[in-house]
Order: sequence, then structure tokens, then C-alpha cells
Amino acid sequence: DTGVSQDPRHKITKRGQNVTFRCDPISEHNRLYWYRQTLGQGPEFLTYFQNEAQLEKSRLLSDRFSAERPKGSFSTLEIQRTEQGDSAMYLCASSRELRSTDTQYFGPGTRLTVL
Amino acid sequence: AQRVTQPEKLLSVFKGAPVELKCNYSYSGSPELFWYVQYSRQRLQLLLRHISRESIKGFTADLNKGETSFHLKKPFAQEEDSAMYYCALSGPRYGQNFVFGPGTRLSVLP
Repeated sequence: DTGVSQDPRHKITKRGQNVTFRCDPISEHNRLYWYRQTLGQGPEFLTYFQNEAQLEKSRLLSDRFSAERPKGSFSTLEIQRTEQGDSAMYLCASSRELRSTDTQYFGPGTRLTVL
Repeated sequence: AQRVTQPEKLLSVFKGAPVELKCNYSYSGSPELFWYVQYSRQRLQLLLRHISRESIKGFTADLNKGETSFHLKKPFAQEEDSAMYYCALSGPRYGQNFVFGPGTRLSVLP
């Protein structure tokens, strides 16, 4: 499967713990995005990378969230001191760089449950 | 701020009936509009975008700047069209300007 992959698919954690998710984009894609989706809502933009540079971060994202893409390939999203409100599906997507409206290809998501 | 609204959470139609999924947006510039679809147990995927002016799986969508709408239409619904549909908007620059609507669940009844 050459699509976007995410790991783990499910994560259950206790409030206050740190969690880290991984996303592997389609190999030739320069752009990588993170979204959060809660029940009954569409995906909400969190941040995006062009190669290894983090170009934009949502104003809604607290400083407990951090994302990296160290070599311009896979990316990690870390949430520190998790709260129950962080429970959501975390989606990763990737696209080529040719223009701003290139198709985003989504991964299967990581479902986080904070107890 | 840009915003996408989809007034219907659930839309049920019978097989063979016409379908219209509504999408309205607010954006101060010239947006790019998209429809994404998520079938059961599958990933979110692009269905169509307004700049392509194409028909995908029998679906079409026309951007109406006067009414700020981008409704998705299909003349004859099929059971395999049952899915979650999200309207999305992008400005000229990605990131904050890429906004999804809350989605409409389409159920096509036999």
C-alpha cells in the first residue's frame, strides 16, 4: 500500500500522559498536514509542513501540541499532558507542491481516547 | 473568517431519486471549493473540485459566487453513494485557509 499511513490506529491514555503519533506520507509528496476531527464535525486544520519546514500552525493549537518532520519524510505529532478534550481522531494528509490546491491524500487516522 | 456550512446532518433519498447536498461558504476573496467523501470504513478522499469542472461518479457541483454556494448534485442516486460528504474551502494559501464543513451523511435507500 503506497498511501498515507498512520500509527497507531488507536490510542487510549490517561489524562496527563504524553502521546505521540506518527504519519508516513506518500513518498514523493512534499507537503504534510495534520487535522483533528471530533464527533459530528469536519476535520479541523492543525498544522502543515512543506518538506521539513513547519509553515503554519493553527491559532487554536495549544502549546501542549508539537509536530515535527525532521527529514522531510515522516512526521510526528506529540500531545503533552493530555486532557479529555483532546479525545478525537487525528488525521494526516499529504500532497505534492505543484500548487496550493493540489489534492490532499488522507491517512486512516489515529483515534485518541483520553480517560 | 472563512466558514463552510452544510445545513443537513443527514439526507435520505431513495435509489434513483435526485440528490442535492447543500454547501454554503463565507470567504472574502476568491475561494477554491472542494467536495470530499468518506465511505464506510474508508479514508477521506477528494470527490471533486470546482476548478476542474468535471463530473465524478455522476456528481457535479457548480460554484455560485452570488449565492456563495457549492451544492453537490446527482440526478439518480445509487446505493453505493451512501457516505459522509464534506464540503471544503481553500484560499490561495494553504493551512489556516483550508476549512471543512461539518459534513452531511447521505443515505440512499433501496
